[in-house]
Amino acid sequence: GESVGLHLPTLSVQEGDNSIINCAYSNSASDYFIWYKQESGKGPQFIIDIRSNMDKRQGQRVTVLLNKTVKHLSLQIAATQPGDSAVYFCAEKRYNQGGKLIFGQGTELSVKP
Amino acid sequence: DSGVTQTPKHLITATGQRVTLRCSPRSGDLSVYWYQQSLDQGLQFLIQYYNGEERAKGNILERFSAQQFPDLHSELNLSSLELGDSALYFCASSPRDNAFYGYTFGSGTRLTVV
Repeated sequence: GESVGLHLPTLSVQEGDNSIINCAYSNSASDYFIWYKQESGKGPQFIIDIRSNMDKRQGQRVTVLLNKTVKHLSLQIAATQPGDSAVYFCAEKRYNQGGKLIFGQGTELSVKP
Repeated sequence: DSGVTQTPKHLITATGQRVTLRCSPRSGDLSVYWYQQSLDQGLQFLIQYYNGEERAKGNILERFSAQQFPDLHSELNLSSLELGDSALYFCASSPRDNAFYGYTFGSGTRLTVV
């Protein structure tokens, strides 16, 4: 079935360290991927996206890496801060299914002071 | 404020009842998407509308229905409610579908069925 999976349900890091959140996707035809951050009681918030014709994209303190060979996506957060504590979802867009986003189960990031 | 408005924020109702959740998309966005998020679950796609027309359907129960109106706001109707329908319901919008746009999410409606 269709799925975008996450390797780890929880991740705990020390403030100031770098965080890496991983995601596997199943459809090699997917051509657009997005990372979302969801804080408690709020809706998902767009962090960064990447198209399938790219391997890497950088934002402010965040980098997304795409490995199409093994269908793997990762989100790197530099100098993790307490405000980064949230659940992170990867999402995959498949144009042959009406453009809907398919979300993974989420990884909860906990930042220790 | 994301620009996507969902009302009400909280809803408590009894089993067997019917409720309507409302969503106003971000200004200029033509596509509206509904997602359900249960406790400890990810975001499950329910249904998508684009400029008033149904565009894609996910795992939406027959007891649930939705529509998008000419002013582009959307409503999700949930009927014959069961305890298992308790969840967060999110609406998201995007300028178009089948394009490289992320979705902008609202803050959700928390539905509790008792």
